[in-house]
Amino acid sequence: EVQLLESGGGVVQPGGSLRLSCAASGFTFSSYAMSWVRQAPGKGLEWVSTISGSGGSTYYADSVKGRFTISRDNSKNTLYLQMDSLRAGDTAIYFCAKNFYHSGNYPVDWFDPWGQGTLVTVSS
Amino acid sequence: QSVLTQPPSASGTPGQRVTISCSGSSSNIGSNTVNWYQQLPGTAPKLLIFRNNQRPSGVPDRFSGSKSGTSASLAISGLQSEDEADYYCAAWDDSLNGWVFGGGTKLTVL
Repeated sequence: EVQLLESGGGVVQPGGSLRLSCAASGFTFSSYAMSWVRQAPGKGLEWVSTISGSGGSTYYADSVKGRFTISRDNSKNTLYLQMDSLRAGDTAIYFCAKNFYHSGNYPVDWFDPWGQGTLVTVSS
Repeated sequence: QSVLTQPPSASGTPGQRVTISCSGSSSNIGSNTVNWYQQLPGTAPKLLIFRNNQRPSGVPDRFSGSKSGTSASLAISGLQSEDEADYYCAAWDDSLNGWVFGGGTKLTVL
């Protein structure tokens, strides 16, 4: 069974940093792209970032470009999201999700499954 | 303001058929496939429809998806109380080089 377990959320001051992790199991981790999607309190879903299976290609939403860095350690079956220069608007539940493809087929790709999410609160 | 446009709410009585629309543009729905996600209250999103009209294993055939031009629709027939949830459409956007979501539709079963 595919399982994704996020961790690393918490309360951080504006301008601060946080690193989220997503531990994966039940599939060959390096064979699939992985993504982060967030949901602000009471709001809809917003795609944040995607990384290819090898880690060689990364994509970011304009709202986080230059501040967030997605990475993965295929030897540890773990996905990361380094979040710097955090703002109040980054407050959200952050979900990691498995893509169907390894890379390159994003126009016909999808997210399945999703982790349970980890809450990040940016507040002074 | 979401790139894909969905009605904020929809409703129906048990047994009825409801549809949820999702409107986009040539850079997303017009050229790429559409996926739908269901989010039950307090839970993570779950894949409901992929590649416009494909159901993952375990999703009842009461759920169906379609796409025409720059719009897509999710239909739910034989509405049940457990279908009460938020529904999101999503697609890759060639101009933004990333995924875009609809704002979500809250479905209420009366």
